[in-house]
Amino acid sequence: EIVLTQSPATLSLSPGERATLSCRASQSVSSSLAWYQQKPGQAPRLLIYDASNRATGIPARFSGSGSGTGFTLTISSLEPEDFAVYYCQQRTNSWTFGQGTKVEIK
Amino acid sequence: QVQLVQSGTEVKKPGASVKVSCKPSGFTFTSYAITWVRQAPGQGLEWMGWINTYSGDTDYAQKFQGRVTMTTDTSTSTAYMDLTSLTSDDTAVYYCGRVDCSGTHCANWADPWGQGTLVTVSS
Repeated sequence: EIVLTQSPATLSLSPGERATLSCRASQSVSSSLAWYQQKPGQAPRLLIYDASNRATGIPARFSGSGSGTGFTLTISSLEPEDFAVYYCQQRTNSWTFGQGTKVEIK
Repeated sequence: QVQLVQSGTEVKKPGASVKVSCKPSGFTFTSYAITWVRQAPGQGLEWMGWINTYSGDTDYAQKFQGRVTMTTDTSTSTAYMDLTSLTSDDTAVYYCGRVDCSGTHCANWADPWGQGTLVTVSS
């Protein structure tokens, strides 16, 4: 099973700041990596697919990069609605999710 | 509007089974796969498996092998996830998600997701 490790576990930032979230795979997943946002009491929401493609309706402040075993989700300037938990997910070898990064207001 | 609508809250006793439904609307049911994940209270997302509604093929996470069955009913355009031998560790919100497929070739992500179904296992 491919293990996805996200860091940091919690990111404390202020609105307007840049957020950089990391996801590392235990073996190469090529570009088969997605990012989701989840707010309390809500279902996951797809942000990025195939490592760097924004899903429909996702603002341009969200961007994804990386390939192989190292990936990054960047939020260029945090809006109040961006404070949430973010998960990475791969499907190269079955499906797995990372443990999540919580972006909280500082 | 493309969405997935799941069945309501369930309360089950240990040892029982639960069947959660997921009904798509706004898209052709047989052009996609449906994946299922769960989220225990305060925890992250855990993948359970998926079913290709075109081919009927399934793939289950090893953890749930022998205890989970995913099916579809094309006459009602509904997907189901059946989990047996429930314990308190199965208390979670269960989500279904749509996976784009072209025949047997499917995407590596899911979008959108259902609203979630809370399953509580308690004696």
